[in-house]
Amino acid sequence: GENVEQHPSTLSVQEGDSAVIKCTYSDSASNYFPWYKQELGKRPQLIIDIRSNVGEKKDQRIAVTLNKTAKHFSLHITETQPEDSAVYFCAARSTSGTYKYIFGTGTRLKVLA
Amino acid sequence: DAGVIQSPRHEVTEMGQEVTLRCKPISGHNSLFWYRQTMMRGLELLIYFNNNVPIDDSGMPEDRFSAKMPNASFSTLKIQPSEPRDSAVYFCASSLGTGQGMGGYTFGSGTRLTVV
Repeated sequence: GENVEQHPSTLSVQEGDSAVIKCTYSDSASNYFPWYKQELGKRPQLIIDIRSNVGEKKDQRIAVTLNKTAKHFSLHITETQPEDSAVYFCAARSTSGTYKYIFGTGTRLKVLA
Repeated sequence: DAGVIQSPRHEVTEMGQEVTLRCKPISGHNSLFWYRQTMMRGLELLIYFNNNVPIDDSGMPEDRFSAKMPNASFSTLKIQPSEPRDSAVYFCASSLGTGQGMGGYTFGSGTRLTVV
């Protein structure tokens, strides 16, 4: 079945610096890759997603890149702010089987003021 | 829309007791998912329904867990009997279709279950 690995597990950056979180997936049939942000004690919320026919997508300070050949995708946050501090989860959805999402193990991002 | 509504928000129960978690998906969403979140295992999909029918329950850890979706607006996840290792946050999520290109999943606020 699908397996999604996420790195790093924790990440500390200075306010204003960039943060990059990387994920790899195993199922080449995966075609949709969302990213979720979970603040402490709250629900995961979708922040950006990318489909397999696109290599990059940007929304203000966040961007996601996808390399289908290498089966990895990354989240990039520029000009980080303290409110970016949260746990970020990547996920992959396969077109085979039951179309369920498999989540990565999460990255705890801390933006230091 | 009030979003995905879960109840209770917190549940503390004694080992061996039955626990029932409830979820009301967003109106119009036809897929519903139950996830369990722990520090050790992250977000695990337990079961998901499409049009009220269970599609994949391969994540249900054992027979003590069961889930139902009697109609499009309500689902339950039951644990009987509960054990301390079931302690976790249980999230319900819903989506339109299979959750692609429609905003993905929308998660509820979760139920924090503590089994003592």
